[in-house]
Amino acid sequence: DAGVIQSPRHEVTEMGQEVTLRCKPISGHNSLFWYRQTMMRGLELLIYFNNNVPIDDSGMPEDRFSAKMPNASFSTLKIQPSEPRDSAVYFCASSPPGELFFGEGSRLTVL
Amino acid sequence: GEDVEQSLFLSVREGDSSVINCTYTDSSSTYLYWYKQEPGAGLQLLTYIFSNMDMKQDQRLTVLLNKKDKHLSLRIADTQTGDSAIYFCAGLNDYKLSFGAGTTVTVRA
Repeated sequence: DAGVIQSPRHEVTEMGQEVTLRCKPISGHNSLFWYRQTMMRGLELLIYFNNNVPIDDSGMPEDRFSAKMPNASFSTLKIQPSEPRDSAVYFCASSPPGELFFGEGSRLTVL
Repeated sequence: GEDVEQSLFLSVREGDSSVINCTYTDSSSTYLYWYKQEPGAGLQLLTYIFSNMDMKQDQRLTVLLNKKDKHLSLRIADTQTGDSAIYFCAGLNDYKLSFGAGTTVTVRA
């Protein structure tokens, strides 16, 4: 099993640009999560999908952030327009009930 | 939601045991987890304990759960340099996993 696959691993962009982060969950997992990790705030849950449906997006910081899961094997997290305070490591995780498997993360730097 | 607290740093000599402590607030957490994060990497699940258990052992790892005091600990026996990392405890309530701030463990020779 390849695990949760995220891309890109690193992204450097300029303020105002659109950023799209991608995630391929582990096959057969019915839950998918996007987390953000910063030094100041630690790990924050942004959004949770179950069976491709967004269940809880209360952690999404603002309207600049959007997430989709068009099918069971793919999800995107989009930031438009990006701002320097969005710089963080963004993790995708997938889960059967009771256990969370994380990807390696996408490190985003917004200049 | 769940509040999870951990001490931020632990320094241990190679070969000694490490004990990382965690307290949580939500007694309805069904599972409690320990994750390890090495520099530049994602979170790796080390072990977990179901809330109706009080101890779980897995090779060098021992998890103790005191549900009355809402206290969780991870003991690493014979700590090695490869154990240097950030360790997160987390509690699961429904689908939400709430993480502590992480304990940075430094193993010195």
